[in-house]
Amino acid sequence: DAKTTQPPSMDCAEGRAANLPCNHSTISGNEYVYWYRQIHSQGPQYIIHGLKNNETNEMASLIITEDRKSSTLILPHATLRDTAVYYCIVLSGYSTLTFGKGTMLLVSP
Amino acid sequence: DGGITQSPKYLFRKEGQNVTLSCEQNLNHDAMYWYRQDPGQGLRLIYYSQIVNDFQKGDIAEGYSVSREKKESFPLTVTSAQKNPTAFYLCASSTSDYRSYGYTFGSGTRLTVV
Repeated sequence: DAKTTQPPSMDCAEGRAANLPCNHSTISGNEYVYWYRQIHSQGPQYIIHGLKNNETNEMASLIITEDRKSSTLILPHATLRDTAVYYCIVLSGYSTLTFGKGTMLLVSP
Repeated sequence: DGGITQSPKYLFRKEGQNVTLSCEQNLNHDAMYWYRQDPGQGLRLIYYSQIVNDFQKGDIAEGYSVSREKKESFPLTVTSAQKNPTAFYLCASSTSDYRSYGYTFGSGTRLTVV
């Protein structure tokens, strides 16, 4: 499985966009990029996933570079409830979901 | 509503005792998974099952056992052989098509050995 690299922590002001980066330089052609988040003491929550095109849903947008070696998760208007650990994971049909330490996003008033 | 139910939410166990954590899903998912999380760490895979009556070891299977007799259920037993069982345990499930929505997680069981 491709490994991912994320910053350990980030800060964001409430109402501003939160841009969370992820490097996955060894990703292979059949691996999808998934984003999950985990609010303290809860199970991880699915946010969004993509293969090579940019994706958007009601929670976030996912921007994947053309070479697929990195991606950015965008929360367009962060709220206090978005404070969580965000995990970027690459997944193929031959693997299981493997979590790193993720990025701790702190949204402040 | 469909989802995954883990019970109990909190569990206390005396050292040397086996304990079984429950995980039930009504999503009609084929695959189920057990993860362990220690404070400040990511999730680590214990066991997974892609079909009834079959399961595979994950990265940290020692001291744990599972069964998959029904599609809906995937209980995890933490045995006395597990040297450091105090942790947060998470169950998940997924369809056989990983390109859909990935995994759905339960709310977890926090196990404390006293």
